[in-house]
Amino acid sequence: ETGVTQTPRHLVMGMTNKKSLKCEQHLGHNAMYWYKQSAKKPLELMFVYNFKEQTENNSVPSRFSPECPNSSHLFLHLHTLQPEDSALYLCASSQALEGSQPQHFGDGTRLSIL
Amino acid sequence: GQNIDQPTEMTATEGAIVQINCTYQTSGFNGLFWYQQHAGEAPTFLSYNVLDGLEEKGRFSSFLSRSKGYSYLLLKELQMKDSASYLCAVRDSNYQLIWGAGTKLIIKP
Repeated sequence: ETGVTQTPRHLVMGMTNKKSLKCEQHLGHNAMYWYKQSAKKPLELMFVYNFKEQTENNSVPSRFSPECPNSSHLFLHLHTLQPEDSALYLCASSQALEGSQPQHFGDGTRLSIL
Repeated sequence: GQNIDQPTEMTATEGAIVQINCTYQTSGFNGLFWYQQHAGEAPTFLSYNVLDGLEEKGRFSSFLSRSKGYSYLLLKELQMKDSASYLCAVRDSNYQLIWGAGTKLIIKP
């Protein structure tokens, strides 16, 4: 059972569509993350929020826009995506940015761009 | 640049022992994590090392040598359900996790 819930689990969209991914954590954590996972590649950190404030944006294209309305919810707004954006998008949360506490992951959204 | 290396794939037999190695070069070190990820599922936390030595947790153990930039995950008494990818990640000086590409472990009867 995961304390991090992501919706939808699967998403197929055209390059001109606009969609949003949602993440909710029920663990009382203060930090939340978006990752991109492509086949046979390391997890790529996209965005980090700590106490609702964005602390990292790892050179992510502007067609990805994050939103963190509170410590429990995180969104990733998508528009005008490219075929190379097809991947598994994982959300994670942790108690803090530092320390021994691990990140807890959701099951991800499998995104396919037509 | 920062880099985490681990083997792409390993095969082992049910009931045996397997060691998955991870070497790293990062800007700073604030701990090393191992995660397990079954196909189509979320990565789940296995272990954390920040000091040199061995951490044992049931059938799984993880070892760290900071001077060598090296860690391994040891899985004993392998079961079929251990077939999964194992991800090594290092927290750098900015407290970001740098990830390896993962090792796919195949368990054969």
